[in-house]
Amino acid sequence: QSALTQPASVSGFPGQSITISCSGTFSDIGASNLVSWYQQHPGKSPKLLIYDVGYRPSGVSTRFSGSKSGNTASLTISGLQAEDEADYYCSSHTNIGVHWVFGGGTKLTVL
Amino acid sequence: EVQLVESGGGVVQPGGSLRLSCAASGFTFSNYEMNWVRQAPGRGLEWVSYISGSGNNIDYVDSVKGRFTTTRDNARNSLSLQMNSLTAEDTAFYYCARELPTSGFDCWGHGTLVTVSS
Repeated sequence: QSALTQPASVSGFPGQSITISCSGTFSDIGASNLVSWYQQHPGKSPKLLIYDVGYRPSGVSTRFSGSKSGNTASLTISGLQAEDEADYYCSSHTNIGVHWVFGGGTKLTVL
Repeated sequence: EVQLVESGGGVVQPGGSLRLSCAASGFTFSNYEMNWVRQAPGRGLEWVSYISGSGNNIDYVDSVKGRFTTTRDNARNSLSLQMNSLTAEDTAFYYCARELPTSGFDCWGHGTLVTVSS
């Protein structure tokens, strides 16, 4: 069982916006802004999309945005494109036990 | 170009040992904290281990404590993961990942597959 809870799957049509939630506790997401999001295409390594809740690394499309409210973080993808079809993972620092924890992953299907 | 290249994966019997390596290039290795993250085939990501830039601070997920050892050689720009007493549950792709100063792993290797099977 993953420490952070994500929906198993989400879907949307090209051009639409979708949001993926990541639910944690006061010991991880709720404890700091050390939340990040990753995109992973089949057979590829994960790619950092968002760090520190809402910051994008250089080169990441502005269509990707992150936010946090309480113990839940969210990733929003606007203007959905076929190339966005992938698995998405959230991650947070935790002040109990492990150093970092991941969500179980969300499979995004572009219809 | 920032690059991480893992090696050392393979097939090992339950109870066996394996040593993974990660060669870093394109950045000042000693300035960055590093991590190992694994992913069982068809499953999600699992953080395994953390090591500070100096190598003085190390942390592990509970399931590998006492069995896995992470080290780094800043002179050789390399990271290692010594895995002992392996079980089927350790079967996964193992990635080394560079950690940003705050949160996030901004550079990942291609991964190396460890299969524990008799």
